[in-house]
Amino acid sequence: AQTVTQSQPEMSVQEAETVTLSCTYDTSESDYYLFWYKQPPSRQMILVIRQEAYKQQNATENRFSVNFQKAAKSFSLKISDSQLGDAAMYFCAYRSGGMDSSYKLIFGSGTRLLVRP
Amino acid sequence: DSGVTQTPKHLITATGQRVTLRCSPRSGDLSVYWYQQSLDQGLQFLIQYYNGEERAKGNILERFSAQQFPDLHSELNLSSLELGDSALYFCASSVDPEVETQYFGPGTRLLVL
Repeated sequence: AQTVTQSQPEMSVQEAETVTLSCTYDTSESDYYLFWYKQPPSRQMILVIRQEAYKQQNATENRFSVNFQKAAKSFSLKISDSQLGDAAMYFCAYRSGGMDSSYKLIFGSGTRLLVRP
Repeated sequence: DSGVTQTPKHLITATGQRVTLRCSPRSGDLSVYWYQQSLDQGLQFLIQYYNGEERAKGNILERFSAQQFPDLHSELNLSSLELGDSALYFCASSVDPEVETQYFGPGTRLLVL
């Protein structure tokens, strides 16, 4: 079974600085997708970024980028120029891409990001 | 706004009761997923529907059931509620199961007293 691990329960960053959130996963599959979701105090789950395992190029979305290391099964999220609105829980998630009957998301336990003004 | 709607936003009920949570997927999305977020279990997949048919089951209790209607909205029924069922219940949708991105609704916060 696939698992997702986020080893940092909480991280803190100064406004305008850069922070990296870690995520590791375990799978025997070769075809899968990885995601970072943000959950602000409103509790809404917001997609931040996604990565297809077959793509070597790291995904980027504005100030958000990932460092995808397939061999190491690592998928970290880098937030540049941190803003107060980035403060939230961040969840790493895995989804099988194969011909599985379930395309459920498997989530890590989350990392709470605090942004200091 | 993801385009996925869930009602009600909040629900307070007593142990032993039954409640129904409702989800309307984004326009054009055929697949609906239900997730439970609790303090002790984190975010867990419950069940998935695609175009009215159950597609996959996760850690869903027998006291819980769901269905997807012809207009594609979905309902999650929780019965014989226990204190431990208190959680945030999310619905997510995607165009079809093979489209990898799931968009989440705002959730229904259930409190069982």
